[in-house]
Amino acid sequence: QVQVVQSGAEVKKPGASVKVSCKASGYTFTSHDINWVRQASGQGLEWMGWMNVNSGKTGYAQKFQGRLTMTRNTSISTAYMELSSLRSEDTAVYFCARRTILYHYYYVMDVWGQGTTVTVSS
Amino acid sequence: DIQMTQSPSSLSASVGERVTITCRASQTISRYLNWYQQKPGKAPKLLIYAASSLLTGVPSRFSGSGSGTDFTLTITSLQPEDFATYYCQQSYGPPRTFGQGTKVEIK
Repeated sequence: QVQVVQSGAEVKKPGASVKVSCKASGYTFTSHDINWVRQASGQGLEWMGWMNVNSGKTGYAQKFQGRLTMTRNTSISTAYMELSSLRSEDTAVYFCARRTILYHYYYVMDVWGQGTTVTVSS
Repeated sequence: DIQMTQSPSSLSASVGERVTITCRASQTISRYLNWYQQKPGKAPKLLIYAASSLLTGVPSRFSGSGSGTDFTLTITSLQPEDFATYYCQQSYGPPRTFGQGTKVEIK
């Protein structure tokens, strides 16, 4: 079945980097962008950015510019999100989601990973 | 950036009640509006796209309406499995911002 499966929980110290993976299966990996969304405990959803899996082109929310890098390895159908210079406020669950375009115009996130908990603590 | 504002932030309702959640965009977004449902400890699930189009498999008690800046999500007869948090999201342009969420709780 169509799914994306994320890597496991991470604990990092302030100032370190974290790299989360998102492995796709059940569909053609290069046909859909991947978006990343995070959610701090008890808080709402925060869109972080997107990556065109085919070309590698990326777009990041302004607040993450300079700290966020999205990459992919098409040979193993896996996308990656790396966040650097971590601080306590980055403690959150990070989700990857497949983006699908419906009726040529409407962008949706229709397949989500299970989430990866990243804890930043000294 | 386009700001999305939902109201209310939370509500209490009984099984069988009709529930309406509103979402307002800070600028016009035509019908580029999605609704997601999230249950505790789970990933969000897409319910509605293009403001009013129900994703295949989503129960017909869910409906969406609106265009421009004002949108609503309605659940006509609340079921036990509908108790969750609901988020709107604009897909007009990046950053594809979410509303702050509306938590629907059992009365």
